[in-house]
Amino acid sequence: DTGVSQNPRHKITKRGQNVTFRCDPISEHNRLYWYRQTLGQGPEFLTYFQNEAQLEKSRLLSDRFSAERPKGSFSTLEIQRTEQGDSAMYLCASSLGGGWKEKLFFGSGTQLSVL
Amino acid sequence: GQQVMQIPQYQHVQEGEDFTTYCNSSTTLSNIQWYKQRPGGHPVFLIQLVKSGEVKKQKRLTFQFGEAKKNSSLHITATQTTDVGTYFCAGSRDNYGQNFVFGPGTRLSVLP
Repeated sequence: DTGVSQNPRHKITKRGQNVTFRCDPISEHNRLYWYRQTLGQGPEFLTYFQNEAQLEKSRLLSDRFSAERPKGSFSTLEIQRTEQGDSAMYLCASSLGGGWKEKLFFGSGTQLSVL
Repeated sequence: GQQVMQIPQYQHVQEGEDFTTYCNSSTTLSNIQWYKQRPGGHPVFLIQLVKSGEVKKQKRLTFQFGEAKKNSSLHITATQTTDVGTYFCAGSRDNYGQNFVFGPGTRLSVLP
């Protein structure tokens, strides 16, 4: 399968704990996005990378959230001191980038439950 | 900030009936995309519209981009049970496809 891969699929954690998610994009894609989706809502933009550079981060994103893409391939999203409001599906998407012909390929997501 | 709205929130149709969802942006868009998310699945790209007034068709699906590039619609003719899912529009303000803002989606149920 050469699609976008996300791990783990599910994560249950206690409030106050740190969690880290991983995303492996489609290999030739240089752009990588993180979105968050709650039930009944559309994906909410968190941040995106062009290769290893983090080019944009949502102003709504708490300082507890940090993302990296160290070698321009896989990416990690870390949430520190989790809160119950962080419970959501975290979606990763990748694209070829390079202009307006942007087509996002989403992974299956990581479902986070904060108890 | 940029806001994207969709109506209706839910739509229940009998199989064979038509379905339309509407998308409106608070700002002029450079382009708009449509995605479909099946229950329990992830969003899957359907189409991108770029030009003012553009109309594109994919079999039973017809997509339109408004003249002012602030609204869009998706129309499905003669719905089938395989059309079940949530349809999202996602708008981008710039020409580089960054920071797509998704609407809340329209959830379609098709009764056999």
